[in-house]
Amino acid sequence: QQQVKQSPQSLIVQKGGISIINCAYENTAFDYFPWYQQFPGKGPALLIAIRPDVSEKKEGRFTISFNKSAKQFSLHIMDSQPGDSATYFCAASNYQLIWGAGTKLIIKP
Amino acid sequence: GAGVSQSPSNKVTEKGKDVELRCDPISGHTALYWYRQRLGQGLEFLIYFQGNSAPDKSGLPSDRFSAERTGESVSTLTIQRTQQEDSAVYLCASSPRQGSAQHFGDGTRLSIL
Repeated sequence: QQQVKQSPQSLIVQKGGISIINCAYENTAFDYFPWYQQFPGKGPALLIAIRPDVSEKKEGRFTISFNKSAKQFSLHIMDSQPGDSATYFCAASNYQLIWGAGTKLIIKP
Repeated sequence: GAGVSQSPSNKVTEKGKDVELRCDPISGHTALYWYRQRLGQGLEFLIYFQGNSAPDKSGLPSDRFSAERTGESVSTLTIQRTQQEDSAVYLCASSPRQGSAQHFGDGTRLSIL
């Protein structure tokens, strides 16, 4: 019940396309859902986060969509750029972050 | 500095040696976490400190691993009698409070020969 399942494991998108990464959880006590971006040789960095009282949050080209009834949330990257190529992790928390396994995103020029 | 600082950035050592990894959290952050990340893999939770409470050691893979933190400051992760399977990047993160956004250092890349 503490797991966060992330898919796909890897994703290739053409420049300018939309990248979509999905996560699902079971524990309804989770109340904070962040997404992290990690470049090679660097630690993960917080990208965007959402709380369950809203269904969508947008920051620039990055949007989190949250479906409380389905216990799913997703990251959408609009107009994907080669610089977005990185590994993305979702996570969920009530008192401690539970991490997804990560998605390696490659944006082809 | 403004961010989480980890040292050394790289460590190469022989199998059987002990290693000590250091993490300087962001000032004022009461929560501190250690993770292990093997090449191309996700984050594996190791240990969590929250203020002066007893640490959550549930993720430590064996009794060769230990960690300390003095108050709300520096933490050290010690691996005794290192094995080749200990080779990984060890990441430290801190957060202002339990359950809030974690801020990561760039990790220590540990290679066991």
